[in-house]
Amino acid sequence: AQKITQTQPGMFVQEKEAVTLDCTYDTSDPSYGLFWYKQPSSGEMIFLIYQGSYDQQNATEGRYSLNFQKARKSANLVISASQLGDSAMYFCAMREIQGGSEKLVFGKGTKLTVNP
Amino acid sequence: DTEVTQTPKHLVMGMTNKKSLKCEQHMGHRAMYWYKQKAKKPPELMFVYSYEKLSINESVPSRFSPECPNSSLLNLHLHALQPEDSALYLCASSQEAGGSSYEQYFGPGTRLTVT
Repeated sequence: AQKITQTQPGMFVQEKEAVTLDCTYDTSDPSYGLFWYKQPSSGEMIFLIYQGSYDQQNATEGRYSLNFQKARKSANLVISASQLGDSAMYFCAMREIQGGSEKLVFGKGTKLTVNP
Repeated sequence: DTEVTQTPKHLVMGMTNKKSLKCEQHMGHRAMYWYKQKAKKPPELMFVYSYEKLSINESVPSRFSPECPNSSLLNLHLHALQPEDSALYLCASSQEAGGSSYEQYFGPGTRLTVT
């Protein structure tokens, strides 16, 4: 069974600074995918970034980058130049294949608060 | 259009009521999902539909009954729910159900309260 661990229940960052949200994973599958989602208080899950296990380079999407360290089984999300609107819950998730279909297994999440 | 819509946004129902949640996407996605999310917890998968057929049921109680009438619509029929079923119900879709890097697009959710 796959497992996702997010050890930071809450993080605080000053506006315009960078912040790293931790995510470690455990899987025996050689092929896997890791996702980060943002969930504001409104409830909608917003896809941020994806990293495949065979990707040679770390994924980047605008202010979001993924620090992928395969040997350490970590996939930390880095948010540069934090904005007040970045305050939200952040979930790391891993793709798991079951019965030929895909499901996402989520970590417990990290609540990020950006202070002005 | 990368939007998944869900109706209603809020629903309050008694334990003897029958209600339905609706989810719609027009992105041509062939996989659709229902998740349940309790407060301060991550989403938990309930059902997966792939090409309009149920492919994953995560041992969900029969008082929750999913339906996929066509590739754009996903319903969740609710009957005889319990107060502990109160949660945010999220619908999602993705291009394929067994793809390698297809992200899931989520709707805004339905906040369900069972009284």
